[in-house]
Amino acid sequence: NAGVTQTPKFQVLKTGQSMTLQCAQDMNHNSMYWYRQDPGMGLRLIYYSASEGTTDKGEVPNGYNVSRLNKREFSLRLESAAPSQTSVYFCASCLLGQGYEQYFGPGTRLTVT
Amino acid sequence: AQTVTQSQPEMSVQEAETVTLSCTYDTSESDYYLFWYKQPPSRQMILVIRQEAYKQQNATENRFSVNFQKAAKSFSLKISDSQLGDAAMYFCAYRRGGAGSYQLTFGKGTKLSVIP
Repeated sequence: NAGVTQTPKFQVLKTGQSMTLQCAQDMNHNSMYWYRQDPGMGLRLIYYSASEGTTDKGEVPNGYNVSRLNKREFSLRLESAAPSQTSVYFCASCLLGQGYEQYFGPGTRLTVT
Repeated sequence: AQTVTQSQPEMSVQEAETVTLSCTYDTSESDYYLFWYKQPPSRQMILVIRQEAYKQQNATENRFSVNFQKAAKSFSLKISDSQLGDAAMYFCAYRRGGAGSYQLTFGKGTKLSVIP
């Protein structure tokens, strides 16, 4: 099993450009999540999808959209990138249930200039 | 809202020694889970240990153990016989209980250095 995969691993955008971060998992997990990690801030939840067909906002959703394409895939879109969105983005997944831990992808380092 | 506080931005430990990383949290829930994640320079988030709030016994995983004090809302991580590979950022995280899809709330992390 590959676990949770993310593409791309690195990306540089200019202000105003758009892009989509891709995430896929092969563990048959129900729930998927997008976090961002900024220096000194820990990880903060952007959006999540409890199950296929549902999405909900997290702590910092402004400037982002998501799509749960199917059970395996959950994408994050930046419609008009801003320097404040420079960050490391992590996708995670887990089984619904009692306290199942989240499994993380390797992250995408995004720089917006 | 739940909050997780890690009061030690940086810690260091001599190889083979023991170190304890602190974490406190605030919640009004009685059913929840606590986690410690390790993030080495590779950036990958790796689960170290998990604790269920309803369990009184502290979780252990090889050289890693926790001291869970529910009344004090404290969840510290002890690393015994520290190894060079333990050098990483360590994040404490909270998840409310129940079968729903609940987010993790993370602390800001503690950077652990291991001195040879």
